[in-house]
Amino acid sequence: DGGITQSPKYLFRKEGQNVTLSCEQNLNHDAMYWYRQDPGQGLRLIYYSQIVNDFQKGDIAEGYSVSREKKESFPLTVTSAQKNPTAFYLCASSKYSGGARDNEQFFGPGTRLTVL
Amino acid sequence: SQQGEEDPQALSIQEGENATMNCSYKTSINNLQWYRQNSGRGLVHLILIRSNEREKHSGRLRVTLDTSKKSSSLLITASRAADTASYFCATGERGNKLVFGAGTILRVKS
Repeated sequence: DGGITQSPKYLFRKEGQNVTLSCEQNLNHDAMYWYRQDPGQGLRLIYYSQIVNDFQKGDIAEGYSVSREKKESFPLTVTSAQKNPTAFYLCASSKYSGGARDNEQFFGPGTRLTVL
Repeated sequence: SQQGEEDPQALSIQEGENATMNCSYKTSINNLQWYRQNSGRGLVHLILIRSNEREKHSGRLRVTLDTSKKSSSLLITASRAADTASYFCATGERGNKLVFGAGTILRVKS
């Protein structure tokens, strides 16, 4: 899982609550990403950040928010506006941002969120 | 949006056999990557092939890319039980975003 940590590994949320998933990397990577994975499906991009204090919406940003105050950290908040948040959430980082360079991504171990 | 489509969805083979997985995509790409995911874990990068390359090898892995057909294949030779996992192709686009397919579930029986 490289130098990316995610916590917690399992998270349970009651309906109407906001929860924050942590993602930290010590790889000195510029870009960071959040994905959602549902059973039997691929990864869908929620948000990504190419530089500190800047981030862009991915394909399924509604009901989620992020911040990038430090290069090493990219927390994801799942808000009560997300109607179906139960899923496996994966954080990733890549060395470069922008351009057409090789953009291999390194993934954390994931957080499994369950709504009770 | 999901660009890569893997085929087959699931594959079951005996240890020692070769496993071939295919990926098709729709738009122009900078590169195509293959990742592996063990159950309940994060993804691990396997191999990257650039749009101007046709074939690439890494250990028991062989990847081909046909940009005219917008397709790629991943071959795992002499498979082992430890190769059991889900395999995803991902197309590299501008801005360093990756677009993932739905994956192929590979089961290697010992």
